[in-house]
Amino acid sequence: DIVMTQSPDSLAVFLGERATINCESSHSLFYSSNNKNYLAWYQKKSGQPPKLLIYWASAREPGVPERFSGSGSGTNFTLTISSLQAEDVAVYYCHQYYSTLRTFGQGTKVEI
Amino acid sequence: EVQLVESGGGLVKPGGSLRLSCVGSGFTFNNAWMTWVRQPLGRGLEWVGRIKDKTDGGTTEYGAPVRGRFTISRDDSKNTVYLQMHSLRPEDTAVYYCHAEPRSWGQGTLVTVSS
Repeated sequence: DIVMTQSPDSLAVFLGERATINCESSHSLFYSSNNKNYLAWYQKKSGQPPKLLIYWASAREPGVPERFSGSGSGTNFTLTISSLQAEDVAVYYCHQYYSTLRTFGQGTKVEI
Repeated sequence: EVQLVESGGGLVKPGGSLRLSCVGSGFTFNNAWMTWVRQPLGRGLEWVGRIKDKTDGGTTEYGAPVRGRFTISRDDSKNTVYLQMHSLRPEDTAVYYCHAEPRSWGQGTLVTVSS
């Protein structure tokens, strides 16, 4: 199975400041045949289902605020929240869909 | 609007069985790869398994913790995917989510395995 490792496990950021979450995969998630990285980011709030933020490592889902951005390729990826808002308090997960056996990172808790 | 509605959760004793159902609407169900994801209370998301659509062979894959105990099936005539769980263990206690990749999720159903 592809292992996804996120860092840090949790972080506290001031309102309006930048939050950066890293995700490392044990296998490259890049398919050269279509030039895409099979990596998504989800936001999870208590009592709610996950919400897709980013797919193909950097494509923002329609309706997701522009302060959320994804970057990276191969085995190293980053989710950045450029200016943290109160409603962004949540746990964030990276997720690989390169392998038929999908896996999630362990999650990063973002607090104010 | 895409909707996924799970049902079938509840309390079951260790070693017991339970079947979850998920009904989908608002999309072409028979073309969708359907997935189950769980979240133990206070812990992270865990991919349980997936069934492909019939065009892609309708095959299934499972995460290591549930392989050999859980089975996913589908009935496209009812827009329903099932998760049959056997030999349940306390560590299977979780909220189970139905998921149509990449963006559609049900609200989840709680499974509690306890004596």
